[in-house]
Amino acid sequence: KQEVTQIPAALSVPEGENLVLNCSFTDSAIYNLQWFRQDPGKGLTSLLLIQSSQREQTSGRLNASLDKSSGRSTLYIAASQPGDSATYLCAVSGDNAGNMLTFGGGTRLMVKP
Amino acid sequence: AAGVIQSPRHLIKEKRETATLKCYPIPRHDTVYWYQQGPGQDPQFLISFYEKMQSDKGSIPDRFSAQQFSDYHSELNMSSLELGDSALYFCASSRTDMNTEAFFGQGTRLTVV
Repeated sequence: KQEVTQIPAALSVPEGENLVLNCSFTDSAIYNLQWFRQDPGKGLTSLLLIQSSQREQTSGRLNASLDKSSGRSTLYIAASQPGDSATYLCAVSGDNAGNMLTFGGGTRLMVKP
Repeated sequence: AAGVIQSPRHLIKEKRETATLKCYPIPRHDTVYWYQQGPGQDPQFLISFYEKMQSDKGSIPDRFSAQQFSDYHSELNMSSLELGDSALYFCASSRTDMNTEAFFGQGTRLTVV
């Protein structure tokens, strides 16, 4: 059974810092990996999708990397802003298209002005 | 761009009542997923449909059922509601012939009293 772990569980940083969120998964047979952002009580916003054959994806100040063989992904946020404060969830799919996502417990990020 | 639409956004029910949640996927998406997110927890997969056929089943209680209709919208039916069913229920959709990125709706917050 796939298990996804995110470290740290919570993170508080001053505005402007660069930061790294970590995600690990136990079964490397994945189709893709997604990073989501969730504001309290709100829905999940997809940030980045990395296919299993890819090593990284970038969108603005966000960069996500994937090392499938070691079961790890990192989300790098450059020049953090207070508006980045949210919970960041990593999720991996099964090894076929359309498979369900298994989520990690998330990292609660607080960026202080 | 059109997103995943869920209704209602909020629902309050009493114990032992029934509830029906609706989901309208992004046009041309062929797969619909249902997830349950309890307070302080990560989303847990319930069930999915591919081209109107059930494709995957997760930790969905026997009291719950779901289906996808000819217009691709999906409904999650929940009977004999229990206090522990109080949660955010998310629907997501994806297109398996493309990059399979899953897009989530804003969720339905179900409160059972």
